[in-house]
This record gives sequence, C-alpha cells and structure tokens, in this order.
Amino acid sequence: GENVEQHPSTLSVQEGDSAVIKCTYSDSASNYFPWYKQELGKGPQLIIDIRSNVGEKKDQRIAVTLNKTAKHFSLHITETQPEDSAVYFCAASRGGNAGKSTFGDGTTLTVKP
Amino acid sequence: GAVVSQHPSWVICKSGTSVKIECRSLDFQATTMFWYRQFPKQSLMLMATSNEGSKATYEQGVEKDKFLINHASLTLSTLTVTSAHPEDSSFYICSARDSGANTGELFFGEGSRLTVL
Repeated sequence: GENVEQHPSTLSVQEGDSAVIKCTYSDSASNYFPWYKQELGKGPQLIIDIRSNVGEKKDQRIAVTLNKTAKHFSLHITETQPEDSAVYFCAASRGGNAGKSTFGDGTTLTVKP
Repeated sequence: GAVVSQHPSWVICKSGTSVKIECRSLDFQATTMFWYRQFPKQSLMLMATSNEGSKATYEQGVEKDKFLINHASLTLSTLTVTSAHPEDSSFYICSARDSGANTGELFFGEGSRLTVL
C-alpha cells in the first residue's frame, strides 16, 4: 500500500518568513496530492491540491510543487502570518473517488508574531 | 464549496452507554464516506469506509461490532460507538467525496469529541 512520510513534524518561523513542508510517497500510481490545514479542535480543511499532470500550483501565499520522478511534493507558504499557525497534513491517493487517501503524520506550524 | 456537517461536536457519556455520531453531506451526494479517529498530536487514523446501501469496510484492527457504521442514504452516515469505555475517548472525524465529481477531493466534517467517563 501507499506510505506517506512528512517532514518536519514541527516548524517554527517568524511572521513574514516562508515555511516549507515536504512529503514523500511510495506508490507511483498515486496521482492526487492534497494539503489540509487543521486548527485545534476542528476538522481538516483543504487548502490546496495538485494532480500528477502538473508540477506546480499556486494560490496567493500558498504553493505546492510536485516531483513525480522523485515521488515527493512540498507545501510552500510565503509571508507567513500568525493565523497560519496550525497542523498541516499532506495526503496521496490514486485517481477519482475510488482511491483511499493516505495521510502524512502532520506538521505543527507555529508563526511567531 | 461542499459542506460536511458532523454532529454532535462534543459528547460526554458514561461508561457502558452507546453514542451515535452523524455525518451529513449538505450540498452533494456521497456514496462513500470515511470515518477517522485522531489522538492528540497525531494524524488521522482511518477506521472504516462507509458505503451507501452496503456494509462498511473496516480497517485492520478496528472492531466492527464496537464501531457500528450505517450509510442508509446518499447524504448521511452514522457511527455508533457501542458500550463505550474510557479508552474510546477520542476525536472522531468523517469525510465524504462528491459522487458526481469523481475528483478524489475529500470534504471533512468538523469532528466530534467523545469523552467517556
């Protein structure tokens, strides 16, 4: 089955700095890679996703890059703000609704004001 | 965006009682929903896949008689924790996929905090 590894487990940055979280996956058939943000006591919320037919996707301060050859993908947050502080999870799955998602172990991001 | 509603958001019960948690897709149909358990500072642990109109598929190590799942309609799945004990205390989360979209995107509920005394 799929195995997703996520690093680092904790990340602390100063407000305004950039934050990068990396994930690797093992199943070369995986083709959907979402990132979720989970605030304390709440369910995860999708913040950005990427499919295997593109290498990079950007949405304002958030970007995701995918290297299919190396089987890794990364989340980039620029100009971090205190409200970006949360736990971030990456995931990988095969296409469509039939695929089961495998989650990374999460990264606790703290943005210091 | 698609919304998944989970209820209750928190519940406290006595040991030995059963607790039901509901997961509803509010603006889309979901033939498949997922139930997770999350311990503090840990990732989501998939418990089972809930299939509309058929039996749920449980992950290895999850007791199906302990965690009863019913997916009777295209917008509602329920998780019942039977004869709950303190070790069942946890954060339970559901997610759903839009059957009409087939994108693989998961929409999560807000989670339910269960505390068993």
